[in-house]
Amino acid sequence: ETGVTQSPTHLIKTRGQQVTLRCSSQSGHNTVSWYQQALGQGPQFIFQYYREEENGRGNFPPRFSGLQFPNYSSELNVNALELDDSALYLCASSNSRADTQYFGPGTRLTVL
Amino acid sequence: AQSVSQHNHHVILSEAASLELGCNYSYGGTVNLFWYVQYPGQHLQLLLKYFSGDPLVKGIKGFEAEFIKSKFSFNLRKPSVQWSDTAEYFCAVIDNTNAGKSTFGDGTTLTVKP
Repeated sequence: ETGVTQSPTHLIKTRGQQVTLRCSSQSGHNTVSWYQQALGQGPQFIFQYYREEENGRGNFPPRFSGLQFPNYSSELNVNALELDDSALYLCASSNSRADTQYFGPGTRLTVL
Repeated sequence: AQSVSQHNHHVILSEAASLELGCNYSYGGTVNLFWYVQYPGQHLQLLLKYFSGDPLVKGIKGFEAEFIKSKFSFNLRKPSVQWSDTAEYFCAVIDNTNAGKSTFGDGTTLTVKP
């Protein structure tokens, strides 16, 4: 059984640029959630995709957008990057919308 | 808005000491409750969960948690910690009326001295 994978591992961007982060869900999982984790804080919910539809969204501006593909992998896109977007971005997959989440290793984004 | 509070930011214990980590949440409806753990260099992983039924739930590695609905609490316990329990522990809540959204606490770092 393949776990959740994320790419890239690390990324450095400059303010105003756009970034795409990718996530492959665990085999058999149809739900993917994305989180932003700043240093010393818990994961902050960005949004969830369930069967290719956005199922819930946290308090993040519209420049944070996502996509889920038919194979249930997912992308997180962030436009017009700001310095405060520097964080660890976590992807988690699950069997359903309210069940146990299986986390990937994260993508460390640095915005200069 | 729903929130989760973990009152202990950093706990330091000696091996064999008992552990209790507090978790309180703000939402009064039906919730699913989780404790996740992140060992050094590893991904976040599930320690235990509560959906319904017996409010005392047991997880991996001898951990347990008790759901007290009247106190909006889901505290994590272990009678005797080991050095290998050194990790960061996160409490998380899913509101079942808004099943897509998880709320995490800010985590508690546990250091167990050998």
